[in-house]
Amino acid sequence: EVYLVETGGGLIQPGGSLRLSCAVSGFNVSNNHLSWVRQAPGKGLEWVSVVYIDDRTFYSDSVKGRFTLSKDTSKNIVSLQMNNLRAEDTAMYYCARYRRAAAGWGVFDVWGQGTMVTVSA
Amino acid sequence: DIQMTQSPSSVSASVGDRVTITCRASQGIDTWLAWYQQKPGKAPNLLIYGASTLQSGVPSRFSGGGSGTDFTLTITSLQPEDFAIYYCQQSKSFPLTFGGGTKVEI
Repeated sequence: EVYLVETGGGLIQPGGSLRLSCAVSGFNVSNNHLSWVRQAPGKGLEWVSVVYIDDRTFYSDSVKGRFTLSKDTSKNIVSLQMNNLRAEDTAMYYCARYRRAAAGWGVFDVWGQGTMVTVSA
Repeated sequence: DIQMTQSPSSVSASVGDRVTITCRASQGIDTWLAWYQQKPGKAPNLLIYGASTLQSGVPSRFSGGGSGTDFTLTITSLQPEDFAIYYCQQSKSFPLTFGGGTKVEI
């Protein structure tokens, strides 16, 4: 069975750091693209970051320079290191598999249940 | 960045109705468009990719169309379990972007 489990969320003060993890089961992170998508309370979906099979990473402008996405193929997990957190980073953070086709399109076809991050003093 | 605009933002419908949601991209994205359904307290669920290809396991009452900048998601004969928020998403270029969502409610 394929599933993703996110951990590491919590309450953190502005300027603080947090590390989210996504444990993958049913497939290997070594040959899949993995991504993070967040959703602020009552708001829509916002893509955050993706790590490709070849280890290239891409980030949204809102987190570039503050967040770092990495993967550990030995543990089959991906991690999102979040530094210098701001109130506007408050959201549910979802880990998702990002599937890309030769035709070019890319979709999030498997999602975790999410982990909540609250940035507040 | 490619902006994705959905309309309407909400729609009231009844069981058995046909519902069409529109998604417009700020520039051409070929058919690099997906649709997701999200129910309260749950993660999104992929419905359609490549603008019109149904994801495995998704009921055939869902269909997608369009290319370039204008896309549609149609639900024929709305079922009780279809009341949810629907999002479009483009993958033509980074940053990947979603539409603002359309709430389908009773």
